[in-house]
Amino acid sequence: AQSVTQLGSHVSVSEGALVLLRCNYSSSVPPYLFWYVQYPNQGLQLLLKYTTGATLVKGINGFEAEFKKSETSFHLTKPSAHMSDAAEYFCAVSGTGGFKTIFGAGTRLFVKA
Amino acid sequence: EPEVTQTPSHQVTQMGQEVILRCVPISNHLYFYWYRQILGQKVEFLVSFYNNEISEKSEIFDDQFSVERPDGSNFTLKIRSTKLEDSAMYFCATSGTGDVRETQYFGPGTRLLVL
Repeated sequence: AQSVTQLGSHVSVSEGALVLLRCNYSSSVPPYLFWYVQYPNQGLQLLLKYTTGATLVKGINGFEAEFKKSETSFHLTKPSAHMSDAAEYFCAVSGTGGFKTIFGAGTRLFVKA
Repeated sequence: EPEVTQTPSHQVTQMGQEVILRCVPISNHLYFYWYRQILGQKVEFLVSFYNNEISEKSEIFDDQFSVERPDGSNFTLKIRSTKLEDSAMYFCATSGTGDVRETQYFGPGTRLLVL
């Protein structure tokens, strides 16, 4: 079985500050890991993904995440927050087989001016 | 860039009525999924579909739900007799084959409100 835990339902940062959104996963098979962003009243947009290979993956809008197998983590970071980054962020995991995607509960990011 | 589209964007229905939500996948994608997100909650997997068959379904996907690809392009989710608790945002997702199969592209969603 697979599961995702996102630590912190809400995170607030100042504009220009580091963004760190935490995600831990559980998977009995080698995981595929994803971060999605959801702006208000919109769908899910893929930020980045890890499948195999390099454990540090870069995504859109300056975000990146590092897969750490020993810690079963896939935290999302961005060096400098922008007001437009305010949104809900979902960490997700899938694996071999049916590829159904299991989502975390989400972290709402607030960016203060 | 190709994208998944969904219609309608919003639907309001009376409890007990049937609804059909439609999705147009990215053209060369062969794997299809439905997810739902109840307001304020996480996105939940409903069902996956490949080669005109359900590959996997969750506990949520009971006999009230069905999926089909009626014309080779649209992918539909039917709820036969809607309940209040079916009110949610429903997302269609599709993925390609081979090395990119694991990456699902999501549509903008259909917001369903059951009164």
